Amino acid sequence: AQTVTQSQPEMSVQEAETVTLSCTYDTSESNYYLFWYKQPPSRQMILVIRQEAYKQQNATENRFSVNFQKAAKSFSLKISDSQLGDTAMYFCAFSSQGAQKLVFGQGTRLTINP
Amino acid sequence: DSGVTQTPKHLITATGQRVTLRCSPRSGDLSVYWYQQSLDQGLQFLIQYYNGEERAKGNILERFSAQQFPDLHSELNLSSLELGDSALYFCASSVTLFSAGYNEQFFGPGTRLTVL
Repeated sequence: AQTVTQSQPEMSVQEAETVTLSCTYDTSESNYYLFWYKQPPSRQMILVIRQEAYKQQNATENRFSVNFQKAAKSFSLKISDSQLGDTAMYFCAFSSQGAQKLVFGQGTRLTINP
Repeated sequence: DSGVTQTPKHLITATGQRVTLRCSPRSGDLSVYWYQQSLDQGLQFLIQYYNGEERAKGNILERFSAQQFPDLHSELNLSSLELGDSALYFCASSVTLFSAGYNEQFFGPGTRLTVL
């Protein structure tokens, strides 16, 4: 069974700083997908970024980028120029190719301070 | 707005009771997924339906059941409720083209269940 581990329960940075959230996962599959979801206080689940395991190039979405290390089974999220609106829980998630369900980590609570 | 709707938004009930949570997927989406989130934990996959048929099952308790109707809306039934069932229950939907590698899941706003 796949597992996803987020080792940082909480993080706090100043506005405009760069922050990196860590995620490791365990799988025996070679083709899969990795995600970062944001859950603000409203509790809505918002997809931030997605990475296909077969792509060597790291995904980027504006201020959000990932560092995908397939051999190390590591998938970190970097938020540049952090904004107050980035304050939220961030969940790393995994989905194997073919299986549609998402396996989530325990989350990292990120606080951006003014 | 993801296009996925869930009702009710909040539900407060007592131990031993039975409740039904409802989910309407985005227009055109054939798959519905149910997830449970307890106390700021990660989401746990419960069950997936595709076009009316059960497709995948997670760690769903026997006291819980779900179904997807011909109009593609889904209901999650929780019975003999216990204090530990208090959680946020999310529904997500996707198109689910099996020829594609992955189909993005769009999440509803969730139903917060409180069992007293």
